[in-house]
Amino acid sequence: KAGVTQTPRYLIKTRGQQVTLSCSPISGHRSVSWYQQTPGQGLQFLFEYFSETQRNKGNFPGRFSGRQFSNSRSEMNVSTLELGDSALYLCASRRRRGPSTDTQYFGPGTRLTVL
Amino acid sequence: AQTVTQSQPEMSVQEAETVTLSCTYDTSESDYYLFWYKQPPSRQMILVIRQEAYKQQNATENRFSVNFQKAAKSFSLKISDSQLGDAAMYFCAYRTDLGGSQGNLIFGKGTKLSVKP
Repeated sequence: KAGVTQTPRYLIKTRGQQVTLSCSPISGHRSVSWYQQTPGQGLQFLFEYFSETQRNKGNFPGRFSGRQFSNSRSEMNVSTLELGDSALYLCASRRRRGPSTDTQYFGPGTRLTVL
Repeated sequence: AQTVTQSQPEMSVQEAETVTLSCTYDTSESDYYLFWYKQPPSRQMILVIRQEAYKQQNATENRFSVNFQKAAKSFSLKISDSQLGDAAMYFCAYRTDLGGSQGNLIFGKGTKLSVKP
């Protein structure tokens, strides 16, 4: 079974631009979560989508948004990029929500550099 | 709010020896899950081991085992017979499936493990 895939793997943008990152979960997984990883702040939860609805959101500004499609693929968008948005963005998928021993499986990440 | 603390930013172990990575957490929930994830340099984060809070028995996965002390809110990872391939960042993570933050992982800052040949 294929793992979580993320595209693109690397991105370079300039301040003020916007960017869209894509995540394809493991087949059969309906929950997709996004995390931002930086050396200073570590791993921080951005948001979770399940059945095309945002279910949970971390403490990030409204410039960070996302969506999920009917095939469970998810995209996240960052508008008006700032230098501090430079990070590794990780996507994780899980079969379901709610009390469960389900494990989240991570993709390889998208490395975003903002110049 | 739940927090996860890893007090050892870096650790080093000799190949074939045993090392223990520490993790403490804070929560008011009684039902939750704890994880150790491994992130090798420039490589994908993978799950090492998982512990359900309602289980008293410590989880084990081959050379990896945990010491779960629920009352003390402690969750340490023991790596036995360390191998060069164990060198990586190790993250302790907490998840509850109840309440407002259900489903998302809360991570510690990580411990960088080096393995000396």
